[in-house]
Amino acid sequence: DQQVKQNSPSLSVQEGRISILNCDYTNSMFDYFLWYKKYPAEGPTFLISISSIKDKNEDGRFTVFLNKSAKHLSLHIVPSQPGDSAVYFCAASAGNTPLVFGKGTRLSVIA
Amino acid sequence: SAVISQKPSRDICQRGTSLTIQCQVDSQVTMMFWYRQQPGQSLTLIATANQGSEATYESGFVIDKFPISRPNLTFSTLTVSNMSPEDSSIYLCSVGYTGSTNEKLFFGSGTQLSVL
Repeated sequence: DQQVKQNSPSLSVQEGRISILNCDYTNSMFDYFLWYKKYPAEGPTFLISISSIKDKNEDGRFTVFLNKSAKHLSLHIVPSQPGDSAVYFCAASAGNTPLVFGKGTRLSVIA
Repeated sequence: SAVISQKPSRDICQRGTSLTIQCQVDSQVTMMFWYRQQPGQSLTLIATANQGSEATYESGFVIDKFPISRPNLTFSTLTVSNMSPEDSSIYLCSVGYTGSTNEKLFFGSGTQLSVL
């Protein structure tokens, strides 16, 4: 039973446009959410996070939105750049429990 | 951020053999974890490596199959024992500095394991 779901395995976006990556979760106890980015042959790197007490967190071109009632979060990248092409993982935790990851979404930004 | 060196970066192994993966961090860390990513799947936590004591394994993972050592605050090893093709995965070392709630983790570059 997957607690964190990324239902789109891949996404293609044109350079300069907005990329929206989605993530749904089932565990209402999750109170902290993170996005990681992974390039081939590298480990995941932390991108941005959000606590359940917020509904939005912004860091430069990256914004994460959290909709607790819908158990849904999204990552917006504006404007998208070719260097953003990577696999993006959504992760969640509840208190001191280990991070639970989604399967990832492969983003391709086309020049 | 942490500099995490993971060795080997990839290996091809025969069924029934064992492989030990090393994880070295450039500074002392509180928490060290081992994750597995099977093809097309999410990252799954195997265990928390505890310094000076037995690792804490997640459901579905056992010490006999995945023995883990952590002799100090900067180094850990994961052994994949008696391998089968189902063990073909990426294995990732991950660290956290504080062990506190909601801490972001840093990852090594992973070990791509293929079992024939």
